[in-house]
Amino acid sequence: AQSVTQPDIHITVSEGASLELRCNYSYGATPYLFWYVQSPGQGLQLLLKYFSGDTLVQGIKGFEAEFKRSQSSFNLRKPSVHWSDAAEYFCAVGDNFNKFYFGSGTKLNVKP
Amino acid sequence: DVKVTQSSRYLVKRTGEKVFLECVQDMDHENMFWYRQDPGLGLRLIYFSYDVKMKEKGDIPEGYSVSREKKERFSLILESASTNQTSMYLCASSQTSASGELFFGEGSRLTVL
Repeated sequence: AQSVTQPDIHITVSEGASLELRCNYSYGATPYLFWYVQSPGQGLQLLLKYFSGDTLVQGIKGFEAEFKRSQSSFNLRKPSVHWSDAAEYFCAVGDNFNKFYFGSGTKLNVKP
Repeated sequence: DVKVTQSSRYLVKRTGEKVFLECVQDMDHENMFWYRQDPGLGLRLIYFSYDVKMKEKGDIPEGYSVSREKKERFSLILESASTNQTSMYLCASSQTSASGELFFGEGSRLTVL
């Protein structure tokens, strides 16, 4: 069965530091992978997606993610975190039947 | 700009009441979804619809039903609300393509007393 694991529930980083959020998935075929961000009280906004081609994908707000098939991972990175990046981040995998499976989320706190 | 609109941001209902959550999208998307979001559990799929009058159960359909009479509108119905249905409900839509992403509404926070 398809599943997504985000092993870190909470992460705190200092403003200006680099960030990596982990995501591992379980899916039998070629996955379609997504990262979403949710600000408090809001819906989810797409940061980036991978469905084929270059395994390093660029997204909005300076985020990038790397698909590693051998590790079943799709980790999200940002070289320098801003206070406005404090939010909850969700990794998701989409199947060929237009269904999506989400991880449990990682809450990012940014220290001044 | 693409938009998914959920009619109510905050609702407070009593146990046993019938609750309607409405969602409208303006992107002509074929697929629409209702998710429930609870702390530590991420998003769990309640129901989805890939066409008008078509629906499929997701992972947690018990206690819920849905209606899709028009392409742009997808309603979630709680026939008899219970306290364990207190949650954030998120509506989303997508095109029918393998890489089509989900577009989300801002959510409806339901409290059942």
